[in-house]
Amino acid sequence: QKEVEQNSGPLSVPEGAIASLNCTYSDRGSQSFFWYRQYSGKSPELIMSIYSNGDKEDGRFTAQLNKASQYVSLLIRDSQPSDSATYLCAVNNSFGNEKLTFGTGTRLTIIP
Amino acid sequence: GAGVSQSPRYKVAKRGQDVALRCDPISGHVSLFWYQQALGQGPEFLTYFQNEAQLDKSGLPSDRFFAERPEGSVSTLKIQRTQQEDSAVYLCASSLGHSTNTGELFFGEGSRLTVL
Repeated sequence: QKEVEQNSGPLSVPEGAIASLNCTYSDRGSQSFFWYRQYSGKSPELIMSIYSNGDKEDGRFTAQLNKASQYVSLLIRDSQPSDSATYLCAVNNSFGNEKLTFGTGTRLTIIP
Repeated sequence: GAGVSQSPRYKVAKRGQDVALRCDPISGHVSLFWYQQALGQGPEFLTYFQNEAQLDKSGLPSDRFFAERPEGSVSTLKIQRTQQEDSAVYLCASSLGHSTNTGELFFGEGSRLTVL
């Protein structure tokens, strides 16, 4: 079992709709959780971080964390063509070590 | 510079050659990471430095891989006797350090290695 699992997609969503991206992780001791966006041929960039159970909203993005279910999700409201990218879920499970473990990423395409 | 700088951007090596990949992190960033990203996959952790100290090298796939950051700034990832399975994009990232623990890694554009 991989430490961080994501559906690789591709996930196609109409422009203006809500895109829902999911991630599960295996280590119950995981401390912090991140979503990175990676455009094709580019490097990953951080878009959301979440540390405690519940929802965290930032503009059109909402991250959701459920530690009991070992589940993290990212919702993108009012999806735009510029949101088309690969979304990487990342987990830090080493106290005192900043190492992030990434999932394989979900490729999202927003259809105009 | 404003961001993490990596060189070379592209490297083609013949099987068996040694390669060296350079990373220049954001000025003042304490932590530096190397990741390997194969096509269609997420970044896989290789190694992590805090200043000049290599705190974690658990991800280095074999003893052909070696990384250093002797003065706590620029880092070099060296791959000896390259094999075809080493073909990937090698990403360097830096961060402010554990005391901030934001999890925000700033990535360079990567060095794409192709081994023939």
